[in-house]
Order: sequence, then C-alpha cells, then structure tokens
Amino acid sequence: ETGVTQSPTHLIKTRGQQVTLRCSSQSGHNTVSWYQQALGQGPQFIFQYYREEENGRGNFPPRFSGLQFPNYSSELNVNALELDDSALYLCASSRTENTEAFFGQGTRLTVV
Amino acid sequence: AQSVTQPDIHITVSEGASLELRCNYSYGATPYLFWYVQSPGQGLQLLLKYFSGDTLVQGIKGFEAEFKRSQSSFNLRKPSVHWSDAAEYFCAVGFTSGTYKYIFGTGTRLKVLA
Repeated sequence: ETGVTQSPTHLIKTRGQQVTLRCSSQSGHNTVSWYQQALGQGPQFIFQYYREEENGRGNFPPRFSGLQFPNYSSELNVNALELDDSALYLCASSRTENTEAFFGQGTRLTVV
Repeated sequence: AQSVTQPDIHITVSEGASLELRCNYSYGATPYLFWYVQSPGQGLQLLLKYFSGDTLVQGIKGFEAEFKRSQSSFNLRKPSVHWSDAAEYFCAVGFTSGTYKYIFGTGTRLKVLA
C-alpha cells in the first residue's frame, strides 16, 4: 500500500507567477485535504476535496484553487503568487471525508 | 471557536529523561485528538489518536497520551527519550464544521541532549 506522495518536493517561483502542486492519495482513500504550513507555524486548512468536489474551505482567498481527479489524486493551484505564500504545502488523504488523515511529505514553495 | 494551544514552544530534555508535551484544546463537543511529529523538512507522521473510549492511548515509538475532559487537555508523554525523538510535535483537533478538518497547535520543538 503506497502512502501519500507529493510533487515536486521543492520549487522556487517569482511573485505574480502561478504554481501547481500535485498529490497522489493513499490507496483506497477518496478524500484529499490541503494544508499550508508557514515557517514556525502549525498547518492551516486550505480546502478539502471529496469525490472530485470541493467539500469545504478554510480562510484562504480564491486564488487558491484545486482539483480532484477520478483516481482521487489532486492538484493545488495558486495564482498571483505573493511572498507570504512561501510555505510547506501538505496534502493529506483519508478514507472518507470524516476520518483520520494521512499526510504526505509536503512541497516546499519559495516565492521570491 | 475551536483552537489548540501548545504552551511550550521549545523543550530541552536529556536523553533517557521522561518527557511531557502539553496540549489544551477548545471545542464544544468531544473532539478527535491527534499528535503528529515532524522532522525538519518532512511531512507529518501520526503518533497516536483519540476518538473515544480509554482515555490513555498508546502510540508508536513508545509515546502515549492521556485525554482529560475536565482539563481540556491531551498531553503527550514518553518515559525515556531517545536522541532520535528530537523533532517538532503538533497536537491537533479533528472536527466537522461543514467539512472535516484539523486545527493544529503551533508546535513544540523538542531538543534532546546527549
């Protein structure tokens, strides 16, 4: 059974650019959640996808968007990058929308 | 509003000493509670969880935690710390408010002295 995998592991973008982060959920899991972890902080909930639909959103602006595909993998897209978007982005998958989540290793995004 | 407080930002212990990391939560109902560990540059690894039942839960790597409803606490303990336990530890509450999500504390960074 493979775990949650994220790609890329690191990337550097320029302010104003757009970025796409990818996540493959654990086998048998149909729900993916995304979290942003700024340096020195705990992770903060961005949104959740369940059966290809957004199933809830945290306090993040619309320039943070996502997708979930039929195989339950997911993308996080961030438009018009700002310096404060620099963070570790964590993907978590779960068996259903209300069960414990298992986290990937994260993507470290640096915006310069 | 739901919240999680980890009052200790940094803790330093000697190898072989006991450890207790504190976590207090604010939530209206019985929460789902979790402890995660994060090594530098890594993701989160689940140490243990509490959903219901026995208030003392055992986890991986010799960790345990005790849920105390009266104190709204879920403290993490280990009787004898190993140098490899040096990492950041996060307490989290899982709850449903429209959607199921976690709220994390700000973390406690553990340093282990040889």
